[in-house]
Amino acid sequence: QQQVKQSPQSLIVQKGGISIINCAYENTAFDYFPWYQQFPGKGPALLIAIRPDVSEKKEGRFTISFNKSAKQFSLHIMDSQPGDSATYFCAATGAGSYQLTFGKGTKLSVIP
Amino acid sequence: DTGVSQDPRHKITKRGQNVTFRCDPISEHNRLYWYRQTLGQGPEFLTYFQNEAQLEKSRLLSDRFSAERPKGSFSTLEIQRTEQGDSAMYLCASSAPFRSTGGYTFGSGTRLTVV
Repeated sequence: QQQVKQSPQSLIVQKGGISIINCAYENTAFDYFPWYQQFPGKGPALLIAIRPDVSEKKEGRFTISFNKSAKQFSLHIMDSQPGDSATYFCAATGAGSYQLTFGKGTKLSVIP
Repeated sequence: DTGVSQDPRHKITKRGQNVTFRCDPISEHNRLYWYRQTLGQGPEFLTYFQNEAQLEKSRLLSDRFSAERPKGSFSTLEIQRTEQGDSAMYLCASSAPFRSTGGYTFGSGTRLTVV
């Protein structure tokens, strides 16, 4: 059972454009939603995270939008740069558990 | 470098052999996690330690897998009688006390290939 569904699987964006990655979750007990960025040969690195008591969180060029009623959240990367080319994972945790449930990832390519 | 360190970075083993990986977390982090990642997939939770206590273990984890964290410092993950399906990247992560469980710092992983 996949508890966090992520789309699209891959994304190509022009430099300066907006990259949007979407995730949907099933478990209503989830209460923390981080996004991770992973470069080839490296472990995932925490990018930004949100709790369901807010609808949006912004850090620099990265914004999370959260819709609790729809059980969906998304990552927006503004002014996308070639250096942003990586695989992005959404994740969720909660209900007293310490494990993160990850989506399958989105491979982002930002072309000049 | 004060990040999470994993050793070895790569391991090739024959089917049926035992392998052991090591993880050294960030020194002030009391929480340590093991995940497994296969190609094209997100990391999958294996187990979690708080200090030396193993508090959570995936129900999907085979009995061939065991992890330890003696004295609450480094951790080892052992896979006995390896199978080709065990080929994956094994990731270790750590986090500080009282910090959200989502705020992990991952290591660069150990890539296991079973031939």
